[in-house]
Amino acid sequence: QSVLTQPPSMSAAPGQRVTISCSGSSSNIGNNYVSWYQHVAGTAPKLLIYDNNKRPSGIPDRFSGSKSGTSATLGITGLQTGDEAEYHCGTWDSSLSGWVFGGGTKLTVL
Amino acid sequence: QVQLVESGGGLVKSGGSLRLSCAASGFTFSDYYMSWVRQAPGKGLEWVAYISAFAGSTSYADSVKGRFTISRDNTNNLVHLQMNSLRAEDTAVYYCVRYVVVLPAARFDPWGQGTLVTVSS
Repeated sequence: QSVLTQPPSMSAAPGQRVTISCSGSSSNIGNNYVSWYQHVAGTAPKLLIYDNNKRPSGIPDRFSGSKSGTSATLGITGLQTGDEAEYHCGTWDSSLSGWVFGGGTKLTVL
Repeated sequence: QVQLVESGGGLVKSGGSLRLSCAASGFTFSDYYMSWVRQAPGKGLEWVAYISAFAGSTSYADSVKGRFTISRDNTNNLVHLQMNSLRAEDTAVYYCVRYVVVLPAARFDPWGQGTLVTVSS
C-alpha cells in the first residue's frame, strides 16, 4: 500500500489530454515539493516534473504539473503513442523522514 | 552525459547478502547526494536510502533500516548498497539515482537502468 494514491490505470486516444492525480496528506504533499517520473517499460525512469510544476530541459511543454493542498496533478496534452508509460509521483514525507511514492499510473494511448 | 550504471544484482537465498554498486560519470560526483530506489514486481517505486555528498549523512527507509548500508567512494565515483539478511520482499529492480537537493526541494535525476535482485525463499 503506497503512501500516495494514484489511479492504477488510465487510457486515452492520441491527441487527447489526460490528467493523473496524486493524493497525499499534510505530512507529504501538503508541505513538500512534488516530482513526477515517467517510466517506459524496459528503460530507466525519467524525471518529468519537479518542484510541483517545473520541467527539466528537454521535457516538452505538453507535460505540466500542479499542486493544491494535499493533492498534485500531472497533465499531458496532445497525447502521443510514445507517452505510453507508467507515471509515478513522489515527495518527501516529514513524518516518516523519507521519500514516498504513489503506486504508479499505467497510461495507455489507444 | 550523466550516466549511472548499476551492477551486482542476482539471485540470492533468503537470509543471504548482496552488494550492489553504481558507477557514475558525466558530472562532479562529490557535489551530489546519491540514492537507491527499488521497484518490486507489480508494485510502485519505493525509496530505499540516500547518502550525502561527503557521506556525512545517510538515511534509510524503515523497511531496510538495520539490514542495508549505503556508502560511497568519491575517488572512484562509486556508490554501493550492502544488503544483508535479505528477504523475499526485497525482490525488486534496484535503481541508482542522483539525488538532487536544492533546499527546501529535492528530486531524483537521472536514474540508472536498474539491476534485478531476486531473493528466493
